[in-house]
Order: sequence, then C-alpha cells, then structure tokens
Amino acid sequence: QLQLQESGPRLVKPSETLSLTCTVTGDSISGSSYYWGWIRQPPGKGLEWVGSIDPSGRVYSNPSLKRRVTMSIDTSKSQFSLNLNSMTATETAVYYCVAVRRGSTPYYWGQGTLVTVSS
Amino acid sequence: QSALTQPRSVSGSPGQSVTISCTGTSSDIGAYNFVSWLQQHPGKAPALIIYDVSERPSGVPDRFSASKSGNTASLTISGLQAEDEADYYCSSYVDSPIFVVYGGGTKLTVL
Repeated sequence: QLQLQESGPRLVKPSETLSLTCTVTGDSISGSSYYWGWIRQPPGKGLEWVGSIDPSGRVYSNPSLKRRVTMSIDTSKSQFSLNLNSMTATETAVYYCVAVRRGSTPYYWGQGTLVTVSS
Repeated sequence: QSALTQPRSVSGSPGQSVTISCTGTSSDIGAYNFVSWLQQHPGKAPALIIYDVSERPSGVPDRFSASKSGNTASLTISGLQAEDEADYYCSSYVDSPIFVVYGGGTKLTVL
C-alpha cells in the first residue's frame, strides 16, 4: 500500500512561492500506474484540485491558477514536488499530496500540511 | 460554488440507512463512470471509500454502496455506526483542462 508524506514550510509570505514535497513509499514512483497530484482545502471549506504530474513528467494544472503551478518528479528520491508562485492570503489551506488513478481518482492521500499565507 | 451539488447535511440514527446525493451535469457525472466518494473525519485527510461509481477499495465495509443515474450519483450508508459521522465529498472526472470537479461536501450526523 502506498504511503505519502508532505513536507515543506508552514508559513509563506504574500507574493512568495510555496514549495512542497511529497515522499512516496510502498511502490516505485516511476514504475507505477499512478499520476501524482496536489489537492488543497481551505479551513472549513471544500476540496480544490491544484495539479497533477504523470510518470513522464507532463504537468496538468487547474486553469484557475493561471500558470502559477510548477511540478516535478525526482525518481531517485521517490518524491514529487509542487511550486505555486505569487501566493495570496486566500490560499491558506491544507495541502494534500495524492496518488491518482484513472478517472482522476485520488486513491491514496498524504496526511496534509497546513500552509498559512501571512506576512 | 461547487461544480457538483450535495446536501449540506444529513442525519440518521444508529442502524438506519442514509443516502447522500451528488448532482452534476451531462459533462461530468452524466458523461463518465468515474465518480468517487471521499470520507473525511475532523482534522483528518479525506479517504477514498468509493471509486468508479460503485467500487469499494479494499478494507471499506460493504455498508457503503453507491450508484449513478443520469447526472446524479448517490452514496448509501446502511447500518449506520457512530464512526460514520464525518464529511462526505463526491467527485467526478471531467474532460481537459479541469480533469476533476468536487461537490461541496455533506456533513453526516449520527444521532
């Protein structure tokens, strides 16, 4: 069974870049049939898809984020990463990394990390 | 406003059954058999309990069942238990460039 764990700063200043990493254990990040993605949830609110990266490195991101998303995979470390630039206070949220199967099914989830955007 | 519409809350007594609806359109739920349901307990990450409309991941009790008719998906929880009290979210695959849409979530209270 896959296990995912987010890591990265918990506090980001407005206009700066959020950088998060997800470490995957339990299966090969490169040889598996999963896409790797990020979903966020503002406090007390619902879920929002941020973006996904497929095993070849192609990135798919939410159009509402207006090309602010960069994602990458490091197979040697079994990690994938998210960079989201020009952060604003409204993007304070719990950020989850997920293993995604066909049909955008978020099969496995990390425990989530609360990122606060504040000066 | 969420793309998929769920009731904000439902409730039931232990042992009873409850059904949560999730209404979309012919571009999401109506177009694809990729509807998922997630269970989220307070302070915890969501967990997948249904995928591909009605399939249960290993370890999910068969008290959880789901179906789809037209543009509406439904999750039924039978034999309610106190531990079922949680928020439930539906999601559906959609075509590029969005790929997935979510419901706003339903809070289940076990009375």
